[in-house]
Amino acid sequence: KAGVTQTPRYLIKTRGQQVTLSCSPISGHRSVSWYQQTPGQGLQFLFEYFSETQRNKGNFPGRFSGRQFSNSRSEMNVSTLELGDSALYLCASSLHRANTGELFFGEGSRLTVL
Amino acid sequence: ELKVEQNPLFLSMQEGKNYTIYCNYSTTSDRLYWYRQDPGKSLESLFVLLSNGAVKQEGRLMASLDTKARLSTLHITAAVHDLSATYFCAVVLYNNNDMRFGAGTRLTVKP
Repeated sequence: KAGVTQTPRYLIKTRGQQVTLSCSPISGHRSVSWYQQTPGQGLQFLFEYFSETQRNKGNFPGRFSGRQFSNSRSEMNVSTLELGDSALYLCASSLHRANTGELFFGEGSRLTVL
Repeated sequence: ELKVEQNPLFLSMQEGKNYTIYCNYSTTSDRLYWYRQDPGKSLESLFVLLSNGAVKQEGRLMASLDTKARLSTLHITAAVHDLSATYFCAVVLYNNNDMRFGAGTRLTVKP
């Protein structure tokens, strides 16, 4: 059974640019949630999508956005990148809503902003 | 606001020894998760604890949940080097979808 797949795994951007990250959940999973991991702030929840609808959102500025497609694949976008956006971005999928069951995490996308 | 505190943040222990990692949280919750993360890797689910008094064991790791004390413990028995990793607890706010992670405990097991 294929796990959660995130692309790209590594990327480097400069301040002011935008970036799109992709997450393909485990087949049959309908919930995709996104997390930002940094050494200073730890793991922080960004948002959750379930059945193509954003169900929950963390405390991040509007530059961070996402969407989910009908096949449950999800993308997150960060516009007007700042140095502080450098982080490991993890997505997790679950069969039902993220808060009701086990989460399965992808390998992450490591973003470096120069 | 839900706050999750783990301690210790760093733990160095000898192989064969026992130790406990603590996870305290500030508001009512009805489920708690423990995850393991190896350097440069993603998070691996270890345990899901759903009710007061829940205890789960897998190999040398045992997790428990006391919802009245708002406390979960991850007990390590007879540690081995392969257990070296960072361990996170995550708490879901009761009647809400908010999930908060602890800061993580970086465990190093020395021969």
